Amino acid sequence: EVQLVESGGGLVQPGGSLRLSCATSGFSFSTYWMSWVRQTPGKGLEFVANIDRDGNKKNYVDSVKGRFTISRDNAKDSMYLQMSSLRTEDTAVYYCARDPFFSAWDYWGQGTLVTVSS
Amino acid sequence: DVMLTQSPLSLPVTLGQSASISCRSSQSLVYSDGNTYLNWFQQRPGQPPRRLIYKVSNRDSGVPDRFSGSGSGTEFTLKISRVEAEDVGVYFCMQGSYWPTFGGGTKVEIK
Repeated sequence: EVQLVESGGGLVQPGGSLRLSCATSGFSFSTYWMSWVRQTPGKGLEFVANIDRDGNKKNYVDSVKGRFTISRDNAKDSMYLQMSSLRTEDTAVYYCARDPFFSAWDYWGQGTLVTVSS
Repeated sequence: DVMLTQSPLSLPVTLGQSASISCRSSQSLVYSDGNTYLNWFQQRPGQPPRRLIYKVSNRDSGVPDRFSGSGSGTEFTLKISRVEAEDVGVYFCMQGSYWPTFGGGTKVEIK
C-alpha cells in the first residue's frame, strides 16, 4: 500500500524556519518525481515545489524561490521542504504528493499545518 | 500562468440524479506531445485531494464508473451520474501541461 506521511508542521513566527518531512512507503520512491502542494482557505490549492528522481532538478513557485529548499533522500524514501524567512502568507496545509507524470499527483499525504503568526 | 475557471461554485444535487462540473482553461491544454494533462480531484471534508480522472478522461483505479471526464482544448467536464451521499465534497480540475495550476473548486452537496 502506498503511503505518504508528512511531519514537521507547527506554529512559527514571521521570519522563522521550519523543516517539513515526507516519509513514504509502498512504492519505489527513487523512480518518482515528488512534489509539495499547499492549501489555504483563501487561495485554494497551490503547487509549491517539485524534485526529480535523483534530486538534481528542482522547481519552485515564484513566491517561495530563495526561501524554500526541496530535497530528498532516496536511501530513506523521504522528501523534505526546508522553509526559511517564513511569511504570514505561507500559512497553509502542506501536502506531499507523488508525481507519476506532468504533476498528475496520484497519491497524497494527509497534510501538515504550518501557521506563521506572531 | 494558465487560469482554470470552474463552474458552478456550488452544486446542490438530489441523490440519484446526475451532476456536471465545467472547467475552462485560459489557453489550450494540449501539450507538444499531443496529450492533454487535465486532471480532476475530489476532496472530501477533512481529507487530502484524491485523483479521480487523469488526462481528461482516464478514470483512476477504484473510482466508480459513475465518474466520467470529457472535453478537449480549453473546455472540460466532470460528470457524476447517480450521485451518492459519499460524493459530497469539493471537486477541482488541475492542469499539468504548463506550470501546474488548479481550478477554484466546486462544492457538491446533497439537496
